[in-house]
Formats: sequence, structure tokens, C-alpha cells
Amino acid sequence: DSGVTQTPKHLITATGQRVTLRCSPRSGDLSVYWYQQSLDQGLQFLIQYYNGEERAKGNILERFSAQQFPDLHSELNLSSLELGDSALYFCASSEQGFTEAFFGQGTRLTVV
Amino acid sequence: AQSVTQLDSQVPVFEEAPVELRCNYSSSVSVYLFWYVQYPNQGLQLLLKYLSGSTLVKGINGFEAEFNKSQTSFHLRKPSVHISDTAEYFCAVSAHITGGGNKLTFGTGTQLKVEL
Repeated sequence: DSGVTQTPKHLITATGQRVTLRCSPRSGDLSVYWYQQSLDQGLQFLIQYYNGEERAKGNILERFSAQQFPDLHSELNLSSLELGDSALYFCASSEQGFTEAFFGQGTRLTVV
Repeated sequence: AQSVTQLDSQVPVFEEAPVELRCNYSSSVSVYLFWYVQYPNQGLQLLLKYLSGSTLVKGINGFEAEFNKSQTSFHLRKPSVHISDTAEYFCAVSAHITGGGNKLTFGTGTQLKVEL
């Protein structure tokens, strides 16, 4: 158990819909990262938050957004969903001085 | 920007045989290097990491890796594999990015299949 909690574990939704994925980092970790894992793109970095502020942005679509709340949990919002958004979405967290990232079990999103 | 290349997409090996999974990286700055393992339908688990110091790094489950700066490599090795080592292995590099952020850049993964 990495200490990073992601909910839900599975999500099935229709094209055009909007979903929210939730992540609770390890106790004390200030950084939260979101990754997308798909067969064709591999593991892609989406975005990083540090203590509530956006710190780095990767290959995140404009239809996607994220935020980190004062209690440090984070949410990834995916809107106008397309079939190609079907993937495993991982959240990871790290301490202030980055030495490694701890990953959650992921949310498997299926868009039908 | 940094990148990671895992040349082998699949590596079949017999149980109790040694294995090496190759990883090469490129970066213009000093990096941290990692190997993660992903078992089916699970998240990523850290096997080992290189931050600084000794270039030979030992990790969990009997795995080790050697950082070679001149060859920009970080190959993963295990002297004797077990059926339970069957999984996907990811090499990753981390470097500070503009604005103070960190991110892990992953390779495409190597599927290790251990056979009896």
C-alpha cells in the first residue's frame, strides 16, 4: 500500500460526459501528480500541483483540468469525453524534496 | 527536456535465469533515475532509485541497477528470476523543470515474461 488513494477504481461513462477523479496523497506529501496510461501513448505526465498551486504542466488536453484543495487532495476533471480518453489515470504524490513518487492504484476510465 | 528509451518491449526468460532490462536516458541536467514495476491491474511500485552516490543501486525483490553516466544508461538486473517477477517494468527519469516542478518521464516499458 503506497498510501495514495484514488477513487473510483473503475468508471464507465458515455462520450460527451464529464467525470471527476479524486486523489488523496500520502500524509505529509505536498506534491500531487496526474498521469495517463494508455496502450498507444504509454505513461504520460499530465499535471503537477504543489501545496495548492499548479507547478508543472505536461500533455494535458484543454478539456481536462485539475486542482488541489487546502486539505491537499486533488481532483482531475475530464469533460467532453471522447472514446480516446479511455485509459488508466494515475495519481502520485511526493514529499517537498522530491526523491521518489508514490503511485495510487489508478482509476480505469472507459468511455463508451 | 529529458527522455527515456527502453529498447526491449518484451523479454522472455526462463525461471532461475539471469535477466537484464535495458534503459538509456538523455538529459541536459543532472537527473534522478528510477525503475518501477507494474503488476497486472495494479499501480506502479518503486523497485529502486538512483539519486547520487554509489552507482550500483540495490532494490526490492533482489533487483539491482547500475548508473553509467558516460553511457547514459541505467540497466536493471536480477541474477535469478522467479515466476512472480512477470510484470511490466518502467524506467523513469526525473529532473527539475522551470517553475520548480518535478516530473517523472517514463520509458515505454518492458514486459518481462518468466517461463518455467
